[in-house]
Amino acid sequence: QKEVEQDPGPLSVPEGAIVSLNCTYSNSAFQYFMWYRQYSRKGPELLMYTYSSGNKEDGRFTAQVDKSSKYISLFIRDSQPSDSATYLCAMSKAAGNKLTFGGGTRVLVKP
Amino acid sequence: DTEVTQTPKHLVMGMTNKKSLKCEQHMGHRAMYWYKQKAKKPPELMFVYSYEKLSINESVPSRFSPECPNSSLLNLHLHALQPEDSALYLCASSSQGGRYGYTFGSGTRLTVV
Repeated sequence: QKEVEQDPGPLSVPEGAIVSLNCTYSNSAFQYFMWYRQYSRKGPELLMYTYSSGNKEDGRFTAQVDKSSKYISLFIRDSQPSDSATYLCAMSKAAGNKLTFGGGTRVLVKP
Repeated sequence: DTEVTQTPKHLVMGMTNKKSLKCEQHMGHRAMYWYKQKAKKPPELMFVYSYEKLSINESVPSRFSPECPNSSLLNLHLHALQPEDSALYLCASSSQGGRYGYTFGSGTRLTVV
């Protein structure tokens, strides 16, 4: 069993819809949680960073962490075709430590 | 400056060649990383440098040799690579406190022929 599980998709939504992404993990030692967006043949771009449990909002993006359920989510409001990409969740046990990634979810926002 | 810069962007090398990948950041981050990413897979950690010292080596073959000359620079020296080493090589950095996540560069797309 992988430490971090993420549905590979693809997830197809119409423009303007809410995109809902999630990851589950098995190791309760994870403390730092991140979401990255990666376009084809480019490096991952950090979207959201959360420490421990709770919610965080930044523009159209909302990240949620539920450590009791070992479950993290990312919501993208008012989705745009430019949001079409692969979204990777990532987490680490300590600051400046190894990042463990989910497998990535491919998202397609249709005009 | 909130960027991690990687050069070159593309590299084609023969199996007997020696080449180097370069990474530079000026965010004052004291942890730097090399990751390898194959198509449709997540990045896989290769090396971690903390305060210019190698702190994690994920059992990477010796044909990959990392170097951290100073707090802003990270190199990956390549020698006698195999075609299966073809991949996107990503450099990342983070503050030691990790408060703002890990910043990745755009990567070097390596093809071994």
